[in-house]
Amino acid sequence: AQSVTQLDSHVSVSEGTPVLLRCNYSSSYSPSLFWYVQHPNKGLQLLLKYTSAATLVKGINGFEAEFKKSETSFHLTKPSAHMSDAAEYFCVVSNPNSGYALNFGKGTSLLVTP
Amino acid sequence: DAGVTQSPTHLIKTRGQQVTLRCSPKSGHDTVSWYQQALGQGPQFIFQYYEEEERQRGNFPDRFSGHQFPNYSSELNVNALLLGDSALYLCASSLRTGGTDTQYFGPGTRLTVL
Repeated sequence: AQSVTQLDSHVSVSEGTPVLLRCNYSSSYSPSLFWYVQHPNKGLQLLLKYTSAATLVKGINGFEAEFKKSETSFHLTKPSAHMSDAAEYFCVVSNPNSGYALNFGKGTSLLVTP
Repeated sequence: DAGVTQSPTHLIKTRGQQVTLRCSPKSGHDTVSWYQQALGQGPQFIFQYYEEEERQRGNFPDRFSGHQFPNYSSELNVNALLLGDSALYLCASSLRTGGTDTQYFGPGTRLTVL
């Protein structure tokens, strides 16, 4: 079985400051990990994915995440927040050895203040 | 290149009724997955269809059923609606590669059960 825990339900940053959204995972096998973003009343957009290649993954809109097996973490970062980054962010784990379902965390709501 | 489309956008039903939601996958994709997202929660996997068969199912009752057509589009049917079925229903499509499939989401159908 696999699961993710998003350590913060809400994160607030000022525009232009760094963003850190934390995620820990649990998986019996080598996992595939994703970050998705959901803007209000919108569907989910893929930010980035890790599939056992490079441990530092670059995504869209300046986001990146680092896979750390020793810490079972996959934290999402961005050097400088923009007002348009305000949204709900989901850390997701899947594993082809146990099926193809995506297992979502509960989400982190990012607030960006001027 | 059209992305994943879903219809209808919004739907209001009463308890005990039945509902059908529709999804057209992204061009070139052959796999459709359905998720339920309750308010303030992460999406929960309902089931996945590939080659017109249900390939994997999440922890949802038999009231939830689906279908995939030869053109890869899909329907989600929910019978005997309960108040707790009120949620955003998300469809995701992917291309089955034998490895980790990246799922792309549609905008969702908002179902309200009164």
